[in-house]
Amino acid sequence: KAGVTQTPRYLIKTRGQQVTLSCSPISGHRSVSWYQQTPGQGLQFLFEYFSETQRNKGNFPGRFSGRQFSNSRSEMNVSTLELGDSALYLCASSLGGWGLAGTYEQYFGPGTRLTVT
Amino acid sequence: AQSVTQLDSQVPVFEEAPVELRCNYSSSVSVYLFWYVQYPNQGLQLLLKYLSGSTLVKGINGFEAEFNKSQTSFHLRKPSVHISDTAEYFCAVSEGAPQGGSEKLVFGKGTKLTVNP
Repeated sequence: KAGVTQTPRYLIKTRGQQVTLSCSPISGHRSVSWYQQTPGQGLQFLFEYFSETQRNKGNFPGRFSGRQFSNSRSEMNVSTLELGDSALYLCASSLGGWGLAGTYEQYFGPGTRLTVT
Repeated sequence: AQSVTQLDSQVPVFEEAPVELRCNYSSSVSVYLFWYVQYPNQGLQLLLKYLSGSTLVKGINGFEAEFNKSQTSFHLRKPSVHISDTAEYFCAVSEGAPQGGSEKLVFGKGTKLTVNP
């Protein structure tokens, strides 16, 4: 079974631009979460989608948004990029719904490294 | 909100020595606890998890962790480390468990384990 894939793996953008990152979960997984990883702040939760609905959202400005499609693939978008948005963005998928098949395991993709100049 | 504290940011050890990576969490309710490992330029891989039951949890690659509710700790141990264990290790707590709903993970800042020959 293929793992979580994220595209692109590396991205360089300029301040003020916008960017869209993509995440394809493991087949059969319905939950997708996004995390931002930086040296200073560590791993921070961005948002979580389950069956196309945002189920939780972290403490990030409205410039950060996401969505999930009917095939569970997810995208996140960052508008008006700032230098501080430079980070590794990690996507994780799981079966979804505590109590559904009960593994409670999130599988992470390799991440997209975004550099804002 | 829950928080996770990893007491050591860096832990250097010699090959074949035992190691313990410390993790404390703050929560007044039941939680699910996880340890993840991140190798350079990769995503996170689940080492082990505590959901309920036995407080001693065994994971992959010879790692184990002990859940201590009274001390709100979940320390990770390995009796004999290898060079290949050099990586960053993250402790995480599930904020939504076990009540259901969101699968958001709250991570500690990470511990960089360096195994020297």
